[in-house]
Amino acid sequence: DAGITQSPRHKVTETGTPVTLRCHQTENHRYMYWYRQDPGHGLRLIHYSYGVKDTDKGEVSDGYSVSRSKTEDFLLTLESATSSQTSVYFCAISETGEGNTIYFGEGSWLTVV
Amino acid sequence: GQSLEQPSEVTAVEGAIVQINCTYQTSGFYGLSWYQQHDGGAPTFLSYNALDGLEETGRFSSFLSRSDSYGYLLLQELQMKDSASYFCAVRGLEGDKIIFGKGTRLHILP
Repeated sequence: DAGITQSPRHKVTETGTPVTLRCHQTENHRYMYWYRQDPGHGLRLIHYSYGVKDTDKGEVSDGYSVSRSKTEDFLLTLESATSSQTSVYFCAISETGEGNTIYFGEGSWLTVV
Repeated sequence: GQSLEQPSEVTAVEGAIVQINCTYQTSGFYGLSWYQQHDGGAPTFLSYNALDGLEETGRFSSFLSRSDSYGYLLLQELQMKDSASYFCAVRGLEGDKIIFGKGTRLHILP
């Protein structure tokens, strides 16, 4: 299994509070991704990174920011959580030249009340 | 932009063969891949097609036709453990985004 660790794995937070999810990899892969998964919507790309300090927006980036200060860590921040951001968040990694093969972390379940 | 279409649900009988289709629209194309996800788990990679034709990996095969912007995943000798959601995904020329379809829920009847 690819060495990807997400934390926290489960979190309940209140509307309006900031939340940061962390993704840590031990594979030294260049690309890292954050997806959210909701019933009826599949996996939707939030933000991705193609190198240290190099990030770009995905399909559903509003309300989210990311940072990547080291190859191994990719942080997803909800500046002011809303109930619509209740979801399962998956981090994924990929190495250039491996086609579309990406490896997923175990997921972080976030509930905003 | 990029978009993918796949059926939301498919039902098949244990031991049978099932095909899950995927059509895509993307500016540029670097390949179509398939992922499996069991309830409560993370998606896992199944197969990848960069060129036209059939790729076979055990009971699973994947097909691609770039001229038709179409692919499918073929599952043979279905087992109850194959009950899961299956996602197709593409990477186009829009940077390094990998975009997924909404997934197909496969139900297997005994």
